[in-house]
Amino acid sequence: AQTVTQSQPEMSVQEAETVTLSCTYDTSENNYYLFWYKQPPSRQMILVIRQEAYKQQNATENRFSVNFQKAAKSFSLKISDSQLGDTAMYFCAFMKHKTMDSNYQLIWGAGTKLIIKP
Amino acid sequence: DTGVSQNPRHKITKRGQNVTFRCDPISEHNRLYWYRQTLGQGPEFLTYFQNEAQLEKSRLLSDRFSAERPKGSFSTLEIQRTEQGDSAMYLCASSLGQGARETQYFGPGTRLLVL
Repeated sequence: AQTVTQSQPEMSVQEAETVTLSCTYDTSENNYYLFWYKQPPSRQMILVIRQEAYKQQNATENRFSVNFQKAAKSFSLKISDSQLGDTAMYFCAFMKHKTMDSNYQLIWGAGTKLIIKP
Repeated sequence: DTGVSQNPRHKITKRGQNVTFRCDPISEHNRLYWYRQTLGQGPEFLTYFQNEAQLEKSRLLSDRFSAERPKGSFSTLEIQRTEQGDSAMYLCASSLGQGARETQYFGPGTRLLVL
């Protein structure tokens, strides 16, 4: 069974600083996908970034980038030039690459609450 | 707005009552997922539909829970004889069904409080 662990329950940084959120996972699969989702207070879950495990290049989306270390089973999210609107719960999630029943369910970490201070 | 919608957004009920939630996915999406999220935790998978077929149910889904997706469009999640432990956010997500490269898009959730 796959598990996802986020060891930082809460983090707080000043606006414009860079912050890194940690995520580790456990799986025996070789091919899979990893995601970071953002859930602002009282708002819906939004995809931030995704990484295919077979790609060595780390994914980037504007101010968001990941550090994917497959051997270490680590998948951290870096937010550069943080903004007040980045305040949210951030969830790391895992998805198998190929399933017998096409069930691409996401397996989630417990989340990290990120607070950006003005 | 053509995103995933869920109704109601909030539901307060008394223990023992039945409740039903609705999810309207993005129109061309053939896959639909239900997740449950308790306070301070990540979501947990409940069940999954491909078109109208319910293909998998989590062990979390006791026999008090039932989900349907008639005609492969909207879906309903019903909880019978609610218990206080059912209090949670119920999230619905849909995806295009293009295989593992797809992205799941989430609705705003239905927050259930069982008194």
